[in-house]
Amino acid sequence: GQQLNQSPQSMFIQEGEDVSMNCTSSSIFNTWLWYKQDPGEGPVLLIALYKAGELTSNGRLTAQFGITRKDSFLNISASIPSDVGIYFCAGRIGVVGNTPLVFGKGTRLSVIA
Amino acid sequence: NAGVTQTPKFQVLKTGQSMTLQCAQDMNHNSMYWYRQDPGMGLRLIYYSASEGTTDKGEVPNGYNVSRLNKREFSLRLESAAPSQTSVYFCASRVNPAVGSNSGYTFGSGTRLTVV
Repeated sequence: GQQLNQSPQSMFIQEGEDVSMNCTSSSIFNTWLWYKQDPGEGPVLLIALYKAGELTSNGRLTAQFGITRKDSFLNISASIPSDVGIYFCAGRIGVVGNTPLVFGKGTRLSVIA
Repeated sequence: NAGVTQTPKFQVLKTGQSMTLQCAQDMNHNSMYWYRQDPGMGLRLIYYSASEGTTDKGEVPNGYNVSRLNKREFSLRLESAAPSQTSVYFCASRVNPAVGSNSGYTFGSGTRLTVV
């Protein structure tokens, strides 16, 4: 099946630092999504991207849909302790329809106060 | 709004036992999904239902069956549990993809299953 390569697998950062993570694929995706999972909870949608080159922000989070449509990145600025969790990228090949999302393996973020 | 509700939250089974994981959504979503999450493996799709009355296999369907009981409910059944099925199971639903551009999923809070 389709695979998304998400990196890094884990990060340990100081509070206040900026964070960057990315996802790449060998296939072209038409939708990129970024989710965050808090401990003991299900993933929650952070940002959705629908067009190549699209740059979208949600508070301190910024995500971009790569021009080649084979990658996406997520940046978090000025990290705070509540940013701790697992961040997943997800993508869909189909434009319309019910093609399920494919998920990356996640980036586990730890913030040191 | 409750969103996506999963029951039970925790379960311990003995090898060979059967059980059904329940999922219900109150958002009038057409599509529903079952994923399993294992350490270092991310979220892997087990089965999905694009609409009421249809189900399709995902990436890891072996050992599982599903039932889309009605538009709200989508259950996952383990007929003969195995230790390899120890995992966290997530149900998700999605708004009708023909409506607007919202294509993200809403997830439940998960069922933590241990098979001993």
